[in-house]
Amino acid sequence: KAGVTQTPRYLIKTRGQQVTLSCSPISGHRSVSWYQQTPGQGLQFLFEYFSETQRNKGNFPGRFSGRQFSNSRSEMNVSTLELGDSALYLCASSLAGTSGRTSTDTQYFGPGTRLTVL
Amino acid sequence: AQSVAQPEDQVNVAEGNPLTVKCTYSVSGNPYLFWYVQYPNRGLQFLLKYITGDNLVKGSYGFEAEFNKSQTSFHLKKPSALVSDSALYFCAVRDQGNTDKLIFGTGTRLQVFP
Repeated sequence: KAGVTQTPRYLIKTRGQQVTLSCSPISGHRSVSWYQQTPGQGLQFLFEYFSETQRNKGNFPGRFSGRQFSNSRSEMNVSTLELGDSALYLCASSLAGTSGRTSTDTQYFGPGTRLTVL
Repeated sequence: AQSVAQPEDQVNVAEGNPLTVKCTYSVSGNPYLFWYVQYPNRGLQFLLKYITGDNLVKGSYGFEAEFNKSQTSFHLKKPSALVSDSALYFCAVRDQGNTDKLIFGTGTRLQVFP
């Protein structure tokens, strides 16, 4: 079974631009989460989607947004890019049963998208 | 609020020696604990998790972790380290409620010397 895939793997943008990152979860997985990884802040939770609904959101400004499609694929968007948005953006998926309850599920991570803002 | 702490930024060990990477946690309710490993320019790879049951959890690549409720610890161990184990290791705890959100420690860099 293929793992979590993320596109693109690398991205260079300039301040003020916007960017869209894509994530395809493992087949059959219904929950998708996004994390930002930086040397200074470590791994921080961005948001989580299940059944096309945002279930949880981290402490990030409104410039960060996301969505999930009916096939569970997810995108995140960052508008008006700032230098501090340079980071590795990781997507993770988990099974989440028919009820959507997760608690014990394992999250499997993709390779990430390395975003550099100049 | 849920949290985990990894008190060591770096752990150095000689190849063939046992290794331990430390993690302590603070939770409300049942702790659901995870270990992940990250190699350079890669995402996180799942190693193992503790949900309930045996305090000794076995995972991938010969790693295991010991859950200790009284000490609120979940240390990662391996009996014999390999140079290829050199990587960044993260301990994480599942947040409260019906969510996938993981709260990560700051990470520990493991360096195995030949």
